[in-house]
Amino acid sequence: NAGVTQTPKFRILKIGQSMTLQCTQDMNHNYMYWYRQDPGMGLKLIYYSVGAGITDKGEVPNGYNVSRSTTEDFPLRLELAAPSQTSVYFCASSYSLLNKWDEKLFFGSGTQLSVL
Amino acid sequence: AQSVTQPDIHITVSEGASLELRCNYSYGATPYLFWYVQSPGQGLQLLLKYFSGDTLVQGIKGFEAEFKRSQSSFNLRKPSVHWSDAAEYFCAVDARYGGSQGNLIFGKGTKLSVKP
Repeated sequence: NAGVTQTPKFRILKIGQSMTLQCTQDMNHNYMYWYRQDPGMGLKLIYYSVGAGITDKGEVPNGYNVSRSTTEDFPLRLELAAPSQTSVYFCASSYSLLNKWDEKLFFGSGTQLSVL
Repeated sequence: AQSVTQPDIHITVSEGASLELRCNYSYGATPYLFWYVQSPGQGLQLLLKYFSGDTLVQGIKGFEAEFKRSQSSFNLRKPSVHWSDAAEYFCAVDARYGGSQGNLIFGKGTKLSVKP
């Protein structure tokens, strides 16, 4: 019963490097999200997807890219890492029902990223 | 624009004591409100949510919250705190774009410590 799985759990990058944060869910959820959480702050939405092939920007999309080629996977790409991207990144998913207020978000356990 | 304010950064209560965590929101229409809990090293877990109807909402783990429109508040309460409740608590409002519950605006969080 995996739920939402994020890899890696920790990563240190040098400025200008690129990397992909992986997120996969096995619940057949159509909605997926990427959030970042900075120290002392709430989560901020980076990108979200309402289904395979469909993505859209959230509140803080600059410096990131996403893709959604399958229902299960929603990778987050950092092309040119900057110190401002040091954060904890959370992936989440949900299943949109006809009555959307029955939705429940399921979160992964996070990826702690440091850019030095 | 929607916003969420959690006035208390850190609260310490004794085990067995009652708890109230404050949340104020700014939103133009009837808000959809949530409380999430984050244990160390974990993703967020939904405690409860308010969409409409009864202003007193029951959640998991013995938590409840009361929606007060006149005060723009959605405070979280628990009558008797357990040591396992030590965590960070986030209040959130539905940002309403994308048609999904996951597009949330989060407060900065309140860290709860529990004294034996």
